[in-house]
Amino acid sequence: EVQLVESGGGFVQPGGSLRLSCAASGYTFSPYAMGWVRQAPGKGLEWVSALSGSGDDTYYADSVKGRFTISRDNSKNTLYLQMNSLRVEDTAVYYCGKSLGGSGWSPHDYWGQGTLVTVSS
Amino acid sequence: QSALTQEASVSGTVGQKVTLSCTGNSNNIGSYVVGWYQQISHGAPKTVMFGNSLPSGIPDRFSASKSGTTASLTISGLQPEDEADYYCSAWDYSLNAHVFGPGTKVTVL
Repeated sequence: EVQLVESGGGFVQPGGSLRLSCAASGYTFSPYAMGWVRQAPGKGLEWVSALSGSGDDTYYADSVKGRFTISRDNSKNTLYLQMNSLRVEDTAVYYCGKSLGGSGWSPHDYWGQGTLVTVSS
Repeated sequence: QSALTQEASVSGTVGQKVTLSCTGNSNNIGSYVVGWYQQISHGAPKTVMFGNSLPSGIPDRFSASKSGTTASLTISGLQPEDEADYYCSAWDYSLNAHVFGPGTKVTVL
């Protein structure tokens, strides 16, 4: 059974940093692209970032480009999102998703349960 | 403003067929596989269709199609447990990003 478990969310002041993790199990991690999608309170889903299965190709939403970095450790079956220079508008539940294929443009077929990030002074 | 457009809400009675639409352009829906995601009460999203393929565990009353730059999700035989928000998404090669629709709220009357 595919499982994705996010962790690392919490409360942080504007300008601060957090690193989210997504531990994957139940499938062979390395061939598949992964990504992050967030949902602000009362809002819809917003794509944040994607990473190819090889780790060579990264993609970011304009709203986080230059501040967030996506990465993966295939030896630990774990996806990361390093979030720097956090803003109030980054407050959201962050979901990780497994992609159907190895390319960052593949849709997600499995999702984690989400981790809440709150940015506030 | 979302790159994809969806109806704000759709409703139906138990057993009825409802169809949700998702309209984009040639840069996204016209060129890439569309994902459809169900979210119940702001819980974790669940994939109910990708392209016209049904993920394992999803009932076959869900189906999807695409014509040009519009994708559709059909629920044949609406059930109370189908009440949820449904989002469509696709890759956009001009934006080099995934784009989501604003979501359609499905209400079972």
